[in-house]
Amino acid sequence: DTAVSQTPKYLVTQMGNDKSIKCEQNLGHDTMYWYKQDSKKFLKIMFSYNNKELIINETVPNRFSPKSPDKAHLNLHINSLELGDSAVYFCASSDFANTGELFFGEGSRLTVL
Amino acid sequence: AQRVTQPEKLLSVFKGAPVELKCNYSYSGSPELFWYVQYSRQRLQLLLRHISRESIKGFTADLNKGETSFHLKKPFAQEEDSAMYYCALSGGNQFYFGTGTSLTVIP
Repeated sequence: DTAVSQTPKYLVTQMGNDKSIKCEQNLGHDTMYWYKQDSKKFLKIMFSYNNKELIINETVPNRFSPKSPDKAHLNLHINSLELGDSAVYFCASSDFANTGELFFGEGSRLTVL
Repeated sequence: AQRVTQPEKLLSVFKGAPVELKCNYSYSGSPELFWYVQYSRQRLQLLLRHISRESIKGFTADLNKGETSFHLKKPFAQEEDSAMYYCALSGGNQFYFGTGTSLTVIP
C-alpha cells in the first residue's frame, strides 16, 4: 500500500539517451511534484502539477518534460541525457486542502555515463 | 521573495548532547513550517510541522515569528538521529526547501 511509488529506483544510461521515470500516488492528492536532489543533497523543485495542469515549471532545461495522464500519475521524460543530469529524482504529492504535507517517493537514482 | 535558510550544511554532535538545527525563513504571508528528515538512502519524510506542536522522536520546533525562525531541537541526540534534515515552508500552494543540514551523531 505504498503511497507514492516511483520506477525505476536505479537507472544507469549513456549520454545522449532518452529515459523516463514514472510516478504514481494512491493518496487521492491533487498536486504532484518532481524534485531533483544533487550530489550536495540540495533539493530543487522542478515541476508541480495540480489536477493534471502544470503550475510550477522552474528553470529546467526543456529536455525535461513532465507528463500527467491523470491526477494520480506524473511521469518525467528526459531527452538527450547529459552528465549533469545525474542525481536522485524524487516524486511527491500533497493535499493542500487538508494537511499541506508532502509525501515523497523513494527516489530514482539516475547515473549518466 | 520566499526563502528558507539553513545556515549549517554539516553538524556533528556527540551522543547524548543537545542538538539544534537552525532554520530561518522569509515569507510575506502566514506560512506553514515543516521539518523533513532523510535517513541514508531513504525517502524524505515529515518529521514535524509547526501547527501540530508535537514532539516526534524527541524533536521539537517552535515557530518564532519575531525572529522568523523555526529551529529544530532535541535535548539528547541519539546515533539513529544521524540524517539529512530539511526545513520547509508551505505557502500559496508551493513548498520551499532549505538546503539541508547533515547531522552526524558521534557515538
